[in-house]
Amino acid sequence: QITLKESGPALVKPTQTLTLTCTFSGFSLSTSGMGVGWIRQPPGKALEWLALILRNDDKRYSPSLKSRLTITEDTSKNQVVLIMTNMDPVDTATYYCAHWYRVGGYYFDSWGQGALVTVSS
Amino acid sequence: SYDLTQPPSVSVSPGQTASITCSGDKLGDKYVCWYQQKPGLSPVLVIYADTRRPSGITERFSGSNSGNTATLTISGTQAMDEADYYCQAWDITTDVVFGGGTKLTVL
Repeated sequence: QITLKESGPALVKPTQTLTLTCTFSGFSLSTSGMGVGWIRQPPGKALEWLALILRNDDKRYSPSLKSRLTITEDTSKNQVVLIMTNMDPVDTATYYCAHWYRVGGYYFDSWGQGALVTVSS
Repeated sequence: SYDLTQPPSVSVSPGQTASITCSGDKLGDKYVCWYQQKPGLSPVLVIYADTRRPSGITERFSGSNSGNTATLTISGTQAMDEADYYCQAWDITTDVVFGGGTKLTVL
């Protein structure tokens, strides 16, 4: 059974850097076809993909946010970390991590519960 | 960049068939999946690889993808199907792409 859980600050100030951690179980990032992604959702708005990390440290980023994002993995802890710099109130959203599978399609088949991050002074 | 377009809302009567579309350039050449999201909950995968249902998803959900349009079809729609639905594809230039979401209302 695959599980994921996001953790991090609930409140950050404008211009600060956000660090979110996704702790997962039930799979390994060293397995071909698997990965972990980050997706966010502002209140009342649509899902927006942010970043993806795959086997062999293959990293992908949303073109519109690439300059502000860094995704890393700590395989010893089964964790994936997302760093987003220069936070702004428009970045207020629920941030999800999800298990990515690219065998027979490309999709997120398991999601964490989400972490609400508010950007405010 | 690659964009996916969904209608903001779809309404359906209980017991009828609901169809939610997702449009993109040559979308039929890509794999499409669909997520259901109910208020306050995380998205749930309901269709992947255009037509396949994950384990535990009711047969009332089906999908198709051809040309520039993918469609999620919900047969015998029930009140419990009322939710937001998002399509998603993978594009070689932009990687993961989500549609803007469709709110399904069961009247």
